Amino acid sequence: GAVVSQHPSWVICKSGTSVKIECRSLDFQATTMFWYRQFPKQSLMLMATSNEGSKATYEQGVEKDKFLINHASLTLSTLTVTSAHPEDSSFYICSGEGSTGELFFGEGSRLTVL
Amino acid sequence: KNQVEQSPQSLIILEGKNCTLQCNYTVSPFSNLRWYKQDTGRGPVSLTIMTFSENTKSNGRYTATLDADTKQSSLHITASQLSDSASYICVVRSGGSYIPTFGRGTSLIVHP
Repeated sequence: GAVVSQHPSWVICKSGTSVKIECRSLDFQATTMFWYRQFPKQSLMLMATSNEGSKATYEQGVEKDKFLINHASLTLSTLTVTSAHPEDSSFYICSGEGSTGELFFGEGSRLTVL
Repeated sequence: KNQVEQSPQSLIILEGKNCTLQCNYTVSPFSNLRWYKQDTGRGPVSLTIMTFSENTKSNGRYTATLDADTKQSSLHITASQLSDSASYICVVRSGGSYIPTFGRGTSLIVHP
């Protein structure tokens, strides 16, 4: 099946710093990519939807200035957590949509903000 | 409002036993339904996809069913293994929206 590479798989940073997470579709072109966050033992929560070459669409309650999403090419989307705080600590996952509509998920990035 | 409800929320079974997970949805118009398996700390992986015309589909020890009339799907796991311990997520796509609707998942624990 198609592969989505996400990195880093885990990151620890100090409060106030920014962290960038990359999501690459390795063997398919993902016109649409989704970004989620997941707290322990909870379901995936959609944060935003990004389409290549256009601005991301954010879900209600997600600060677009806090979580910057860039989808500059059909194979790369990035999520930048700006001025991270401990409450931003979470598991962030991306998924790319294949040509048949199937979602291919990255392995996730565990962010810990100290 | 499109919704996907999964039950049970959590399930504990003994290795070798069978189990069935349920997914009820109100997504309309319906396009397809997928079951994903998510191991702890990993991204979800697709198990099966069900479209409107399909009633049953198997993938190894996993068998998914779909009743489009009652808007229900089930995932049956046969002869469970310790490696089946994971969260199983039901995701429904609408023909009218590109945003999928996720269930909250069923957490399955298989004990030896």
